[in-house]
Amino acid sequence: GAVVSQHPSRVICKSGTSVKIECRSLDFQATTMFWYRQFPKQSLMLMATSNEGSKATYEQGVEKDKFLINHASLTLSTLTVTSAHPEDSSFYICSASRQGGGELFFGEGSRLTVL
Amino acid sequence: GIQVEQSPPDLILQEGANSTLRCNFSDSVNNLQWFHQNPWGQLINLFYIPSGTKQNGRLSATTVATERYSLLYISSSQTTDSGVYFCAVVPFPSARQLTFGSGTQLTVLP
Repeated sequence: GAVVSQHPSRVICKSGTSVKIECRSLDFQATTMFWYRQFPKQSLMLMATSNEGSKATYEQGVEKDKFLINHASLTLSTLTVTSAHPEDSSFYICSASRQGGGELFFGEGSRLTVL
Repeated sequence: GIQVEQSPPDLILQEGANSTLRCNFSDSVNNLQWFHQNPWGQLINLFYIPSGTKQNGRLSATTVATERYSLLYISSSQTTDSGVYFCAVVPFPSARQLTFGSGTQLTVLP
């Protein structure tokens, strides 16, 4: 398999602050990573595709200025939730695959609570 | 976009029982994976199975790509099998992002 790690696993912040979540591929290089969001009792919805060295591609309805994605290296992608509000509270989870591989592996997820 | 339907939405079993979870998809796929989401939210890879049959211990899976469905079999279920099981696909010929089904909530009673 392949190991993907996220940090932090849980974060609580006040409304209006920004929160950064990191996603790392620990034992492989990933030119592409994917960010998903999951609300309670629901399935995972793709938010954006993170591309190393270029701009992220956002899914319809996802605000790119709200959810800033940076993929500055082959092992790290970051998601910054800017000016977070209570409705942004959710479980955020990233995924990646080995180059040339089809199977996707997921990080542990980050649970964001905005007060 | 592609539609992924899972059934049943909820399943309650007695420990030791067998079960079959189904995943139907509306279009051709490059990739199909089964996951188990544990109570802490982590997605555990069960199978990468765009076609054919695979087995891993008490779990096995079969994908019939031409008929656009996949089945996950759990035998001799244990309480630790409880959680949500997701099927996810990458539609052909798009990129690698997965589209998830709505999941099956499995509860195994002692």
